[in-house]
Amino acid sequence: AQSVTQPDIHITVSEGASLELRCNYSYGATPYLFWYVQSPGQGLQLLLKYFSGDTLVQGIKGFEAEFKRSQSSFNLRKPSVHWSDAAEYFCAVGEQGKLSFGAGTTVTVRA
Amino acid sequence: DAGVIQSPRHEVTEMGQEVTLRCKPISGHNSLFWYRQTMMRGLELLIYFNNNVPIDDSGMPEDRFSAKMPNASFSTLKIQPSEPRDSAVYFCASSLRGLAGNLDSTDTQYFGPGTRLTVL
Repeated sequence: AQSVTQPDIHITVSEGASLELRCNYSYGATPYLFWYVQSPGQGLQLLLKYFSGDTLVQGIKGFEAEFKRSQSSFNLRKPSVHWSDAAEYFCAVGEQGKLSFGAGTTVTVRA
Repeated sequence: DAGVIQSPRHEVTEMGQEVTLRCKPISGHNSLFWYRQTMMRGLELLIYFNNNVPIDDSGMPEDRFSAKMPNASFSTLKIQPSEPRDSAVYFCASSLRGLAGNLDSTDTQYFGPGTRLTVL
């Protein structure tokens, strides 16, 4: 069965600084990988996804993620964070139409 | 373009009462998912439907939980009787599943705003 690990529970970053959120997955076949963002009191919004092809994936809000098969990782990055990026971020792996989510990383942005 | 619609957004009830959560998926989507989110257990898939048929209900906690999808535009998740440990945020999501044959494909799921359930 697939599983997802997000090693960082909470990250604090200064506005304008870069951000990287880690995600490691366990899955035997080619994974379908997703990053979602959840703002307080809201549902989950898709940031980006990887199904195949180019291992560097561009998403919305200036985010990107890189799939590294050798490291079983799919880390999310943003070069310069904005205060509005404060939220919880979830990595997920898909299998047969279902998603398994990591525990999430809460991002705090300080002025 | 309406997204996934859930109602109610908030529900407060007393232990032992029946609770019904409702979901309207995105028009044209053929898969629907119910999730539960808690601090302790994170996001858990409870059940999912494809073409109105339950495909996997292995995540349903116990017999007190039941879900139905009578048509392509409506689903309910019912808890009877409710207990305080059922307090959580319940999300509904929908997707357009690809053609049958590629069992490993996973299509993008779009989430509703959630229902925050509090059982006293």
